Amino acid sequence: AQSVTQLGSHVSVSEGALVLLRCNYSSSVPPYLFWYVQYPNQGLQLLLKYTSAATLVKGINGFEAEFKKSETSFHLTKPSAHMSDAAEYFCVFYNFNKFYFGSGTKLNVKP
Amino acid sequence: GAVVSQHPSRVICKSGTSVKIECRSLDFQATTMFWYRQFPKQSLMLMATSNEGSKATYEQGVEKDKFLINHASLTLSTLTVTSAHPEDSSFYICSAREPTATYEQYFGPGTRLTVT
Repeated sequence: AQSVTQLGSHVSVSEGALVLLRCNYSSSVPPYLFWYVQYPNQGLQLLLKYTSAATLVKGINGFEAEFKKSETSFHLTKPSAHMSDAAEYFCVFYNFNKFYFGSGTKLNVKP
Repeated sequence: GAVVSQHPSRVICKSGTSVKIECRSLDFQATTMFWYRQFPKQSLMLMATSNEGSKATYEQGVEKDKFLINHASLTLSTLTVTSAHPEDSSFYICSAREPTATYEQYFGPGTRLTVT
């Protein structure tokens, strides 16, 4: 079965620190993977996507993610957290015309 | 970028009544739209996939007679919650996909449904 697992429902970092949000996938076919962000009381916004091209994907707001087939991972990183990054982040898997969401990771940024 | 709107943003209804939620793609034609449900502090659960001009495909466990989905045009899909009950209270989110963007979906802002 195809699925995504996000490790850590809550992550807290200090402003300026590295952000690392973890996502592992399970798939019998080459996956298409996405990271979406949901700010409080707002809709979901696409951060970045992997669709079998470059394994290191750069997104908006300084975020990037690396697809590692050997580790079945697609972790999201940002070198320096900003207060405005506080939000909920979802790793999403696409397969057979459907999108499957991970459980989400709420990022808290401390001043 | 592509914009998807939802209306209403919030709705309160009494138990036993029906409520309709609209999802519109404002600047593109969406051959496929998706409806999700998000419980508090949980992830999005796909409810159904709707294709313009055909019947929606419901996920396992979703009552198709309770959650009626209509995708009558390339820019509008509606979700009607029939005979709503308090347990139907949730955040409903739609997304739409352009015909040429297979792997992308654009999300609406969501509708908060409260059934009293």
